Amino acid sequence: ETGVTQSPTHLIKTRGQQVTLRCSSQSGHNTVSWYQQALGQGPQFIFQYYREEENGRGNFPPRFSGLQFPNYSSELNVNALELDDSALYLCASSLSAGGPLNEQYFGPGTRLTVT
Amino acid sequence: GQQVMQIPQYQHVQEGEDFTTYCNSSTTLSNIQWYKQRPGGHPVFLIQLVKSGEVKKQKRLTFQFGEAKKNSSLHITATQTTDVGTYFCAEDLTSGTYKYIFGTGTRLKVLA
Repeated sequence: ETGVTQSPTHLIKTRGQQVTLRCSSQSGHNTVSWYQQALGQGPQFIFQYYREEENGRGNFPPRFSGLQFPNYSSELNVNALELDDSALYLCASSLSAGGPLNEQYFGPGTRLTVT
Repeated sequence: GQQVMQIPQYQHVQEGEDFTTYCNSSTTLSNIQWYKQRPGGHPVFLIQLVKSGEVKKQKRLTFQFGEAKKNSSLHITATQTTDVGTYFCAEDLTSGTYKYIFGTGTRLKVLA
């Protein structure tokens, strides 16, 4: 196990609702990245947080937002849910946002279903 | 969304056969990572390659980074049923910033 935890494990929401997903990073890691993985696809980078600041963003609309807390845990918020948001949401923590020590440790993911 | 091409998309092999997956980029990469995801699981880090022409080995797995740092490969010798899963490469999105674009993945099935 990686030491990265995510909650909840599964979630069912209705289109138009809002959702918050949570991630606790591995001890000592100050960087958290969030990914969306649709069925049969590779993970898509959403954004990364480094020491509580957003440190890069993928091609996702503003209704995807995040936070990182002083203990380096993180939240992913998605507003105005759409059916296409149904996916596995993965967070990955790493020791640093840059340099060679950026091996990513993934959590088990949150399976979001939007109906 | 933006993804990196990997070939093949699927590979079925008999146990004991070798397996190779390739990852190709149109741009020069600063580094590349490889991950394995078991069915129903999450990606697990395997290796990171940084240097041009770098070759790294982990037991039956051999990872290569091309001389031009535009392609990479993962080779598994004498596959076992425990090798089943999807293998992803992950490319650095922007040089030096270490945010990654994942490949489309190669799904490996090993037949006993």
